[in-house]
Amino acid sequence: GQNIDQPTEMTATEGAIVQINCTYQTSGFNGLFWYQQHAGEAPTFLSYNVLDGLEEKGRFSSFLSRSKGYSYLLLKELQMKDSASYLCASMDSNYQLIWGAGTKLIIKP
Amino acid sequence: GAVVSQHPSWVICKSGTSVKIECRSLDFQATTMFWYRQFPKQSLMLMATSNEGSKATYEQGVEKDKFLINHASLTLSTLTVTSAHPEDSSFYICSASTGSDYNEQFFGPGTRLTVL
Repeated sequence: GQNIDQPTEMTATEGAIVQINCTYQTSGFNGLFWYQQHAGEAPTFLSYNVLDGLEEKGRFSSFLSRSKGYSYLLLKELQMKDSASYLCASMDSNYQLIWGAGTKLIIKP
Repeated sequence: GAVVSQHPSWVICKSGTSVKIECRSLDFQATTMFWYRQFPKQSLMLMATSNEGSKATYEQGVEKDKFLINHASLTLSTLTVTSAHPEDSSFYICSASTGSDYNEQFFGPGTRLTVL
């Protein structure tokens, strides 16, 4: 079956670094997406990885290991506005996104 | 670029009525549009995938006669919730894909439906 696993909730301190992990099992693979979703709002795109390695984009970086079915989202210099849910999604062979349940990130001052 | 709008942003209706939600890609042509439903504190659940000019493909467990999807043009898709009931109350989100290299989906802002 298809499955995406990510922690339900994480807490971090303003200014610190946090890593949100995601493991996936999908029928075929056409890339791994990370989205940010604030409460009551639609998701917004953060990153896309299809090749192994680290993609850096400002304060956010995303890593992929296809052989391990593993990805992480790294957030640096955390700000209070980063408090949100972070959704991991794998695109399967039919180009459909298989979504994780999301990781609620709580930032404390 | 790549802006998707939804209308209405929220709607309250009586049980038994029908509600239509519009999804528009404002500055690009969307070859494929997706409709999702999200209950509180749960993941997005794909309801159906629609390609312009053809019938939507519904996910298992989604009643196609209850959730009518029309994708009449490359910039507009509509979802009609027929004979809505309180259990249909949810956050409905559409997304649109340009068919680019990695088929990134651009999300609309969502429509919150409350059925009384």
